[in-house]
Amino acid sequence: EADIYQTPRYLVIGTGKKITLECSQTMGHDKMYWYQQDPGMELHLIHYSYGVNSTEKGDLSSESTVSRIRTEHFPLTLESARPSHTSQYLCASSEWGEGAAYTQYFGPGTRLTVL
Amino acid sequence: GNSVTQMEGPVTLSEEAFLTINCTYTATGYPSLFWYVQYPGEGLQLLLKATKADDKGSNKGFEATYRKETTSFHLEKGSVQVSDSAVYFCALNTGGFKTIFGAGTRLFVKA
Repeated sequence: EADIYQTPRYLVIGTGKKITLECSQTMGHDKMYWYQQDPGMELHLIHYSYGVNSTEKGDLSSESTVSRIRTEHFPLTLESARPSHTSQYLCASSEWGEGAAYTQYFGPGTRLTVL
Repeated sequence: GNSVTQMEGPVTLSEEAFLTINCTYTATGYPSLFWYVQYPGEGLQLLLKATKADDKGSNKGFEATYRKETTSFHLEKGSVQVSDSAVYFCALNTGGFKTIFGAGTRLFVKA
């Protein structure tokens, strides 16, 4: 059973606050991802990681930062939240290897609202 | 570059109707193709996949066939249920770290 967890599920916060969105997976996957999903449903890759101590920016520019100190943990941080950061954030992981066909496993998402 | 185009929604059907959601792709090499589904308030989950030409992926009554000649991977279901109401994403991966997702198609099924 694929397990990937995100906390909190919902977060309402004021402008200027620092926030961290948590993401953990128990599958031992090397590759992990953060997506931002807009109200129109489209997914935008904002960060990814090949493994421990590896982080890269994705296709959509984001003011958030990520870290990967442990294989299972890939938190996303916003130093100073703004209303433009209001969105749904989805974390995902995938296996490395042709046999897995690069299937992505998604967490349930964090819906962030910045007032 | 690689891309996925899927039909715009929303698609509204009555229960037991036949469903088709069109998906076409552009890719170099030989991509793996996927359909993911997102139910309200949840993340995406894999619905089905196909890794080579003429493969048919199937799950929960849904089917899609990898057609290399038409670069398509259309999703079909013979009889939809209210519980199938969700957003469906077509996606491809060419063997690298990144999966390319379509824009999503919202399906509403009425009782």
